Amino acid sequence: KAGVTQTPRYLIKTRGQQVTLSCSPISGHRSVSWYQQTPGQGLQFLFEYFSETQRNKGNFPGRFSGRQFSNSRSEMNVSTLELGDSALYLCASSRDSNSNTEAFFGQGTRLTVV
Amino acid sequence: AQTVTQSQPEMSVQEAETVTLSCTYDTSENNYYLFWYKQPPSRQMILVIRQEAYKQQNATENRFSVNFQKAAKSFSLKISDSQLGDTAMYFCASTPGNDKYIFGTGTRLKVLA
Repeated sequence: KAGVTQTPRYLIKTRGQQVTLSCSPISGHRSVSWYQQTPGQGLQFLFEYFSETQRNKGNFPGRFSGRQFSNSRSEMNVSTLELGDSALYLCASSRDSNSNTEAFFGQGTRLTVV
Repeated sequence: AQTVTQSQPEMSVQEAETVTLSCTYDTSENNYYLFWYKQPPSRQMILVIRQEAYKQQNATENRFSVNFQKAAKSFSLKISDSQLGDTAMYFCASTPGNDKYIFGTGTRLKVLA
């Protein structure tokens, strides 16, 4: 069974640009969550999608957005990139959106903003 | 706000020894779950162990066990017979109510040969 796949693995962007990251969940999983991981702030929840609807949102500015497609694949978009957006972005998929369900993480996308 | 605190940024342990990683959390929820995740140098996070708050019995998974003290809001992870492959960042997390994970800042564990 294939795991969670995130593409691309590495990305370098310039301040002011926008970026789109992709996440393909494990087959059959309908919930996809996104997290930002930085050395200073640790792992912070961005948002969760379930059945193409945003179900939860963390405390991030509107420059961070996402969506989920009918096949459960998800994308997150960051517009007007800032240096502080440099981070490892992790995607996690779950069978459902219950809080006790194990989340399976991808290997992440390392975004560097210069 | 819900918080999860890991007060040990780094720890080391000799191979085959036992180590305990600390975690405290703050929540006003009655129904929540607690997790320990491991992030090896390859970066992929994997679930180590899970505890349901309404269960008093401490969860165990092979060499991994937890000491869950609900009143003290403490959720420590004990790794017995440590192996080199246990070297990783360990994150404690809670899922209060219906929200997704709130993570601690992590503890970097190094197992020494």
